[in-house]
Amino acid sequence: GDSVTQMEGPVTLSEEAFLTINCTYTATGYPSLFWYVQYPGEGLQLLLKATKADDKGSNKGFEATYRKETTSFHLEKGSVQVSDSAVYFCALNDDYKLSFGAGTTVTVRA
Amino acid sequence: SQTIHQWPATLVQPVGSPLSLECTVEGTSNPNLYWYRQAAGRGLQLLFYSVGIGQISSEVPQNLSASRPQDRQFILSSKKLLLSDSGFYLCAWSITDRGDTQYFGPGTRLTVL
Repeated sequence: GDSVTQMEGPVTLSEEAFLTINCTYTATGYPSLFWYVQYPGEGLQLLLKATKADDKGSNKGFEATYRKETTSFHLEKGSVQVSDSAVYFCALNDDYKLSFGAGTTVTVRA
Repeated sequence: SQTIHQWPATLVQPVGSPLSLECTVEGTSNPNLYWYRQAAGRGLQLLFYSVGIGQISSEVPQNLSASRPQDRQFILSSKKLLLSDSGFYLCAWSITDRGDTQYFGPGTRLTVL
């Protein structure tokens, strides 16, 4: 079945550092790809998405490009802030259901 | 705009007690609805999803059940809780005609003692 593998954490960074979280997927069709973010004690918020190959999703300084040739959707941000500390989930949707990666905990220190 | 509510926000229950978690969506009609569970330090596991009133699909066999008595109401239940039922329960909805982006509620943290 469809699945997502994302980089294990935790990841600890200093403010203004560059962040990359790797995500690769396995799917039989052409799924939509997502990054969700979960702040402590809260539900998941959609961060960005891409619905077809070569699409770039972006939001709040985060970017991810749908790479069909490498089946990847890596999340990047050029300069992180303390407020970016959260758990990040990569996910795909090839039908009505989302398949999630295990999540990557990111901590940004001032 | 659409909003999704879950309650209670937190719940502590003894082993063997019943459970009822409620989720409601406002501002949309005939949404797809979903229940996920997030165990401590782990990813999200889809438990149930529904494409309409009375239509429930189960992804993982266990002692939980779900019901959809109204278009925008989704209930997660158990007759007898287990210790392993502890976790963070998230409800989500998506637009029926695309079944694409899912929007999540604030979650219910359940502790079974």
